[in-house]
Amino acid sequence: AQSVTQLDSHVSVSEGTPVLLRCNYSSSYSPSLFWYVQHPNKGLQLLLKYTSAATLVKGINGFEAEFKKSETSFHLTKPSAHMSDAAEYFCVVGPSDMEYGNKLVFGAGTILRVKS
Amino acid sequence: GAVVSQHPSWVICKSGTSVKIECRSLDFQATTMFWYRQFPKQSLMLMATSNEGSKATYEQGVEKDKFLINHASLTLSTLTVTSAHPEDSSFYICSARGTGDSYNEQFFGPGTRLTVL
Repeated sequence: AQSVTQLDSHVSVSEGTPVLLRCNYSSSYSPSLFWYVQHPNKGLQLLLKYTSAATLVKGINGFEAEFKKSETSFHLTKPSAHMSDAAEYFCVVGPSDMEYGNKLVFGAGTILRVKS
Repeated sequence: GAVVSQHPSWVICKSGTSVKIECRSLDFQATTMFWYRQFPKQSLMLMATSNEGSKATYEQGVEKDKFLINHASLTLSTLTVTSAHPEDSSFYICSARGTGDSYNEQFFGPGTRLTVL
């Protein structure tokens, strides 16, 4: 079984300061991990994904995440927030091997607010 | 590549009517598609998994007779909300499973906002 916990429902940062969105996962087998962003009334856009290659994953728009197996974490970071980063972010876990199916499990989401 | 579209993007209907939502993979063939619903200020919840040419697999608590899913081709899956009621109002999002190296990834459509009056 797999589950995801996003530790903060809301995060507020000032423009130009670092962003940290926290995510812990649980999986009984080797996982694939994703971060998606959703702007209001829009679909999901993939920011980055981890699929058992490099543990530090770089994504679009300056975001990156580090897979830490010992901590079962996959936190999303960005060095400098931009106003356009304001949105809801979802941490998602899925299987890395088709043997375990193909369902994704979504975290509850973290709303990022960027102050000017 | 790997673009998924949905139609319509929003729909308003009267209670008791049926609404069909289309999900298309535009530049790849999708043997598996997924349907999610998202209530306001909540996360996405998987409703069903749709495999081309076979019956959909519904998640626990999702009424298969109310949410009819058809995946008749490798690029199209449809979700029909039958006899819609106000509690069915939600944001419905589909996704298509990737192929090859992207097998573990799902590509999401832009969503359909359904409002039932």
